[in-house]
Amino acid sequence: DAGVTQSPTHLIKTRGQQVTLRCSPKSGHDTVSWYQQALGQGPQFIFQYYEEEERQRGNFPDRFSGHQFPNYSSELNVNALLLGDSALYLCASSLVLAGGETQYFGPGTRLLVL
Amino acid sequence: AQSVTQLGSHVSVSEGALVLLRCNYSSSVPPYLFWYVQYPNQGLQLLLKYTSAATLVKGINGFEAEFKKSETSFHLTKPSAHMSDAAEYFCAVSAPGGGSQGNLIFGKGTKLSVKP
Repeated sequence: DAGVTQSPTHLIKTRGQQVTLRCSPKSGHDTVSWYQQALGQGPQFIFQYYEEEERQRGNFPDRFSGHQFPNYSSELNVNALLLGDSALYLCASSLVLAGGETQYFGPGTRLLVL
Repeated sequence: AQSVTQLGSHVSVSEGALVLLRCNYSSSVPPYLFWYVQYPNQGLQLLLKYTSAATLVKGINGFEAEFKKSETSFHLTKPSAHMSDAAEYFCAVSAPGGGSQGNLIFGKGTKLSVKP
């Protein structure tokens, strides 16, 4: 049973660039959430996708956008990168019909903005 | 707004000693509560969860947590620490408004060190 997978594992970008991170949910899951974890902090919720639509959003600017595909995989896009966007980006998946409260996390993508 | 406070950013115990990691939450509605563990350079692994059933919840790797509504606490314990328990531990609460599918609000984490 495949767990949550994310790509790439590491990424280095410069300020002002754009980045796309990818996530494949756990087999059978239909909901994907994205979190940002700055160094030494707990993860912070960015947004959640269900049925290819953004269902909830945290306190992140519009530079952060996402997409969910028909196969439930998801992308996180960040435009006009800032130094402060350097963080570990975590994807989590869950299943609505199972209650949806339990989220399973992937290994993350570590983004460094120079 | 919901929030989570983890007391102690760093806890150190000897191998075989009791592990106690503290978590207090604030919530205006009955919460769902979670403990996750994060090993270096890895994602988060679910240890256990409370979803309004039994107040004493048993998880993986010998960990358990007790939901105490009167104290708004959800402390994580393990009777005997192993070297392999060294990691960072996060307490999380599900956010209001999202029902059972709400997003998670995390504490800042507690780094557990285990001395031989």
